[in-house]
Amino acid sequence: ETGVTQTPRHLVMGMTNKKSLKCEQHLGHNAMYWYKQSAKKPLELMFVYNFKEQTENNSVPSRFSPECPNSSHLFLHLHTLQPEDSALYLCASSQDLSPHPNEKLFFGSGTQLSVL
Amino acid sequence: AQKITQTQPGMFVQEKEAVTLDCTYDTSDQSYGLFWYKQPSSGEMIFLIYQGSYDEQNATEGRYSLNFQKARKSANLVISASQLGDSAMYFCAMREGGGYSTLTFGKGTMLLVSP
Repeated sequence: ETGVTQTPRHLVMGMTNKKSLKCEQHLGHNAMYWYKQSAKKPLELMFVYNFKEQTENNSVPSRFSPECPNSSHLFLHLHTLQPEDSALYLCASSQDLSPHPNEKLFFGSGTQLSVL
Repeated sequence: AQKITQTQPGMFVQEKEAVTLDCTYDTSDQSYGLFWYKQPSSGEMIFLIYQGSYDEQNATEGRYSLNFQKARKSANLVISASQLGDSAMYFCAMREGGGYSTLTFGKGTMLLVSP
């Protein structure tokens, strides 16, 4: 089993649907992240959680709602999305929010989301 | 202004040859870290190599090495003896020190290795 697991791998939804993305990490880490990867753009950080507390919301629209019930699980609840929200959504974890520059992220394989 | 610049949208290399993927960065911090990640078609971002700003020697990890030129603010990835499985997107990223900063990524370079 990989360190960071994301489900589903693919998701197609209409603009009026409500769906959730799930991320689980088995690395014993305390920090978890949501990134959005759109074509031809750098990865965009969306949310950061450290010890279940949200520490960063990178001006993400309210139609994206994160939830972190414990340090191992992270959800991204989606509702009334727009076609431009179609992207690969990547979850990552790290030991914690270290002040040291060498803290690396471990990523899942992502959820490819298509909004019709 | 972009903090991480990868100027090569795509690179082609033949199997067993070496290839260099370019990365330049912009920061005013003295303490920072530079990372390279590989993203195959499966989507997962795989950590390859790390270089700290205070590290005097270039980082190496197997066939990967990082050509770190601090004065030029460049951190190029060198892959020696390319393999077909190296075909993927490659991302350069930076974490600036002094606080709980997160990784900032470049736009990536697509590497295709041909037989």
